[in-house]
Amino acid sequence: NAGVTQTPKFQVLKTGQSMTLQCAQDMNHNSMYWYRQDPGMGLRLIYYSASEGTTDKGEVPNGYNVSRLNKREFSLRLESAAPSQTSVYFCASSVKGYQYFGPGTRLTVT
Amino acid sequence: ILNVEQSPQSLHVQEGDSTNFTCSFPSSNFYALHWYRWETAKSPEALFVMTLNGDEKKKGRISATLNTKEGYSYLYIKGSQPEDSATYLCAFRDDKIIFGKGTRLHILP
Repeated sequence: NAGVTQTPKFQVLKTGQSMTLQCAQDMNHNSMYWYRQDPGMGLRLIYYSASEGTTDKGEVPNGYNVSRLNKREFSLRLESAAPSQTSVYFCASSVKGYQYFGPGTRLTVT
Repeated sequence: ILNVEQSPQSLHVQEGDSTNFTCSFPSSNFYALHWYRWETAKSPEALFVMTLNGDEKKKGRISATLNTKEGYSYLYIKGSQPEDSATYLCAFRDDKIIFGKGTRLHILP
């Protein structure tokens, strides 16, 4: 039982490049989330998915798109990366209110 | 804009001492209050989910209380140990989830 996995662990992008952050969970949870964590800001919700086939914006959705591919997978896409998107990205899934976090992806945009 | 405040921002506690810290949140549209423990270089780990005014939860030496009418929750750690060193996050949930910035706890040997 791997829990929540994220790939890649680290990524460096140039401004304007695109990439997709992958997240998968094997706990059969309906709800999945994407957060970013910046120094002094705490965790901020980017997008969430309450169930397969649905997605909703969180607190800071601009510059991101998401896909809930199936129950297991929830991906986050940066179409045109900007330095302001340098952050650590966490994916989570939840059941009965408890959120289970992945190990994070550290993204640097130069 | 919803604001979730945690205080203090940072705390140093002698090993063996007990401590507590606060999470303040909006008292309207309350659905749930979450507490997480986040060790350096790891992911946040859920401690408690609290939903009812007056709720008290306990897990070993850690406990939490909830007052939804006045909009605060306390986290207590009894007899602090070095392994309690971490950042403790609270998160307020209505139709979205908003995290506080955390209380960074350092246990001094």
